Amino acid sequence: KQEVTQIPAALSVPEGENLVLNCSFTDSAIYNLQWFRQDPGKGLTSLLLIQSSQREQTSGRLNASLDKSSGRSTLYIAASQPGDSATYLCAAPSTGANNLFFGTGTRLTVIP
Amino acid sequence: GAGVSQSPSNKVTEKGKDVELRCDPISGHTALYWYRQSLGQGLEFLIYFQGNSAPDKSGLPSDRFSAERTGGSVSTLTIQRTQQEDSAVYLCASRYPGQGAGGYTFGSGTRLTVV
Repeated sequence: KQEVTQIPAALSVPEGENLVLNCSFTDSAIYNLQWFRQDPGKGLTSLLLIQSSQREQTSGRLNASLDKSSGRSTLYIAASQPGDSATYLCAAPSTGANNLFFGTGTRLTVIP
Repeated sequence: GAGVSQSPSNKVTEKGKDVELRCDPISGHTALYWYRQSLGQGLEFLIYFQGNSAPDKSGLPSDRFSAERTGGSVSTLTIQRTQQEDSAVYLCASRYPGQGAGGYTFGSGTRLTVV
């Protein structure tokens, strides 16, 4: 069974700073990995989907990397803004399972 | 529709009552998932539907929970004889299945409070 771990659990940074969120997973036989954002009281918004054949994926100020061999993914946020404040979730599938397995997230606060 | 739609957005119910939560997935998405997110917890998988195949119910926490998907589209999650520990946000997601497929699209969820 896939286990997904995210560190740190919470992060507070001043506006404008670049930051990295970390995700590790135990079952490296994944075909993709997805990063989501969740605002308080809301559902999940997909940020980036990385296929197993890719090493990274970029969308605006966001860049996600994937290293299957080491079971790690990172989400890099450049020039952080207060609007980036949210919980960021990493999710990966697992061999023989139909569903995604989620980490418990990193709660990001960007201070103006 | 353009996104995954869930209703109601909020539901308060008395302990022991039955509740039904609805999910309307993106048109054409044959895979549909229900997850539960308790306060301060990660997402917990409940059930998965794929086309006309038998659903994967491996995540349902008890026999009080059931779900159906009619016509390969709308899904209803039913919780019978609700308990306070059922209080959570119930999230629905849909996608095209398969290894080369796209990612999940989630609805905004139903916040269930059992009093």
